Amino acid sequence: NAGVTQTPKFQVLKTGQSMTLQCAQDMNHNSMYWYRQDPGMGLRLIYYSASEGTTDKGEVPNGYNVSRLNKREFSLRLESAAPSQTSVYFCASSATGVETQYFGPGTRLLVL
Amino acid sequence: DQQVKQNSPSLSVQEGRISILNCDYTNSMFDYFLWYKKYPAEGPTFLISISSIKDKNEDGRFTVFLNKSAKHLSLHIVPSQPGDSAVYFCAASAVDQAGTALIFGKGTTLSVSS
Repeated sequence: NAGVTQTPKFQVLKTGQSMTLQCAQDMNHNSMYWYRQDPGMGLRLIYYSASEGTTDKGEVPNGYNVSRLNKREFSLRLESAAPSQTSVYFCASSATGVETQYFGPGTRLLVL
Repeated sequence: DQQVKQNSPSLSVQEGRISILNCDYTNSMFDYFLWYKKYPAEGPTFLISISSIKDKNEDGRFTVFLNKSAKHLSLHIVPSQPGDSAVYFCAASAVDQAGTALIFGKGTTLSVSS
């Protein structure tokens, strides 16, 4: 049982380039989330999807878009990467919006 | 304005002793609290949780205490082991919020020496 998987594990981008971070879960969870973690900070919510077909902004959504492709997959897109988006990105899922969230291993993104 | 605060960035404890990690919150709507443990280059892993209807939850060496009047919770690890060395995040949520996400503290780095 893989749980939550994320690809890629590491990526280097130049300012202005675009990319999509992929996330998939095999736990049949309804809710999925994207967080970023920066040094000295906790995890901050970028976007979430309470259920298939819905997405909502979190605390730091600017510069990002998301797609809940199906129940299993939730992607995060950077249309025009900026150095301020250098961070570690974590995807998480939960059975419903009020239960324990389970995290993927993270994607480390460096924007030059 | 931080809704979940972990005021101690780091804690050092000797193996076998008790580790106490603290967390304060400001939002009185929070009613579900969790602790996550994170090793370098890995995602956070769920450790233990507590609902606001309880004041204590225990799981093996880990116990979480909740003081609602003080808006304070703590994680006790007894006995501490070197493998417990990690960053510990406190998180909170409000059950009545649709699509609830977790609000995290900034974390406390625990170092357990042998």
